[in-house]
Amino acid sequence: GQQLNQSPQSMFIQEGEDVSMNCTSSSIFNTWLWYKQDPGEGPVLLIALYKAGELTSNGRLTAQFGITRKDSFLNISASIPSDVGIYFCAGYSNSGYALNFGKGTSLLVTP
Amino acid sequence: GAVVSQHPSRVICKSGTSVKIECRSLDFQATTMFWYRQFPKKSLMLMATSNEGSKATYEQGVEKDKFLINHASLTLSTLTVTSAHPEDSSFYICSALSAVMNTEAFFGQGTRLTVV
Repeated sequence: GQQLNQSPQSMFIQEGEDVSMNCTSSSIFNTWLWYKQDPGEGPVLLIALYKAGELTSNGRLTAQFGITRKDSFLNISASIPSDVGIYFCAGYSNSGYALNFGKGTSLLVTP
Repeated sequence: GAVVSQHPSRVICKSGTSVKIECRSLDFQATTMFWYRQFPKKSLMLMATSNEGSKATYEQGVEKDKFLINHASLTLSTLTVTSAHPEDSSFYICSALSAVMNTEAFFGQGTRLTVV
């Protein structure tokens, strides 16, 4: 499958700070999904986006499906230590039904 | 969210033996399941797509005779690593697509395979 460009690769922040990460694709996507993966565990779905321009929140997390359908971002507000993990964007393009994954953003939060 | 159970979570086996990993959707029917491999600090690499009642579709570079996939029911897919070698050591993760809500994939907790 095709790779998504996810940035930044890693972030090291202090508790209470806001975090933003994004994903871009060279082709149009129908669905964008954001996952979090803790060490030694499988990814857990955080937010699913289905329409261009859609802005969806899940607690302190907010994600948006870009208008061009080629990008998405995830914001985490007022970060806490348990936000530590790897965040992956994923999506379905028009041409396939298998998920394409970004390379992940590793988030470290210091108390 | 829907629950996907993967078993075992960890397995250590000797070179040359085979290991079976199970992926079950506990509270929904999954017509399609996916198997991924993940190297340390890397993203998930799709190995194959498994459809209930039919042969799996393997990604380029993945040996189908080495990684046998069976999707015998709407709630169970298995991945068997045959004649395992140390280089097969990795984290294997399955995901399942709900037959109803088929745009959200739910993941198992992963299996850490170590071949010695």
